Amino acid sequence: QSALTQPPSASGSPGQSVTISCTGTSSDVGSYNRVSWYQQPPGTAPKLMIYEVSNRPSGVPDRFSGSKSGNTASLTVSGLQPEDEADYYCSSHGGSDRFYVFGTGTKVTVL
Amino acid sequence: EVQLVESGGGLVQPGRSLRLSCATSGFAFDDSAMHWVRQAPGKGLEWVSSISWNSDRLHYADSVRGRFTVSRDNAQNSLYLQMNSLRPEDTAFYYCGKDRLRYFDWAVDSWGQGTLVTVSS
Repeated sequence: QSALTQPPSASGSPGQSVTISCTGTSSDVGSYNRVSWYQQPPGTAPKLMIYEVSNRPSGVPDRFSGSKSGNTASLTVSGLQPEDEADYYCSSHGGSDRFYVFGTGTKVTVL
Repeated sequence: EVQLVESGGGLVQPGRSLRLSCATSGFAFDDSAMHWVRQAPGKGLEWVSSISWNSDRLHYADSVRGRFTVSRDNAQNSLYLQMNSLRPEDTAFYYCGKDRLRYFDWAVDSWGQGTLVTVSS
């Protein structure tokens, strides 16, 4: 089961914005609005940041936003802060064949 | 406070079995779908298995289908993963996670701390 494709790394200075892409296919990201994003600092469990493409759970800062166009979803972190430095993973419903699929992960560095 | 605590990990020889447990509290377990997700050391997240709130829908990744079995006990607020015929490539931290919905939203809004399974001779 192939993973969704994310860039290995992204970076920005404090206060800047960074956008991470998550590319799937018409069978997963392109077909379902069930895209989620997770933040995972080193040595910790993942944390849900975005669900259903663009919704934020309670407690997640509005600096985090999600969107989708065709087979590609995106996570934008605005006003980067040092605590945003972490690995970020997207995920999506994969249809009847794959059910649930994660992205390859992106390491975000705050310069 | 929502809590999920995995247990049952450890060192096991190839071909042997292991059963993971996930004890939960702080939410309506019998109203939530649940997932198992694993992460090999230094690698990315990989979905393993999912179960609906009433166990009528079970799903498995191709890599574990036929070897792993997910189950739950709503009376005990607990999730399980029976892992048979273990292989070295099953070595990973195994996380249990709570879905947002009773069936599936494919969004894990609470995670355990993970339990490490090492498959090696």
